[in-house]
Amino acid sequence: KQEVTQIPAALSVPEGENLVLNCSFTDSAIYNLQWFRQDPGKGLTSLLLIQSSQREQTSGRLNASLDKSSGRSTLYIAASQPGDSATYLCAVRRIYNQGGKLIFGQGTELSVKP
Amino acid sequence: GAGVSQSPRYKVAKRGQDVALRCDPISGHVSLFWYQQALGQGPEFLTYFQNEAQLDKSGLPSDRFFAERPEGSVSTLKIQRTQQEDSAVYLCASSSGGQASYEQYFGPGTRLTVT
Repeated sequence: KQEVTQIPAALSVPEGENLVLNCSFTDSAIYNLQWFRQDPGKGLTSLLLIQSSQREQTSGRLNASLDKSSGRSTLYIAASQPGDSATYLCAVRRIYNQGGKLIFGQGTELSVKP
Repeated sequence: GAGVSQSPRYKVAKRGQDVALRCDPISGHVSLFWYQQALGQGPEFLTYFQNEAQLDKSGLPSDRFFAERPEGSVSTLKIQRTQQEDSAVYLCASSSGGQASYEQYFGPGTRLTVT
């Protein structure tokens, strides 16, 4: 059974700091991995999608890496801002799941202090 | 264009009542997913539709949960005889294709509180 774990559960940093969020998964047979952002009371916003054949994806100040063989992904946020405060979720799709249901980690709650 | 919409946004039900939660996917999207998110947890898969066919309902926690998508667009998640453990945010997502490579777009969710 695929399990996804995110560390740390919560993180508080001062504005301007670079930070790394971690995601690990137990079954390396994944189709892709996706990072989401969730603001309180809101749905999920997709940040980055990494296909299993890729090593990393970048969007603005965000960079996500994927090491499928070791079952790990990291989300790097450069020069953090108070507006980055949210819960960050990673999710994987397994290769043989019809339709591609997402299996999520518990999330990391990030607080960026001005 | 319009994203995924869900209604109601908030629902309070007394234990034992039946509830119906609605999802309007992005127009033309083939696939539709329901997820349940308990407080402080990541979303968990409930069920998946491709057009009107329910292809995976392995995540539905009990036979009190029922989902339908009769015309391949709008979907309804129904919970019968609600229990306190059903309190959660119910998220709907849609994607334009039926394969895992297609990105899922999420609605804002319905927060269900069972008292």
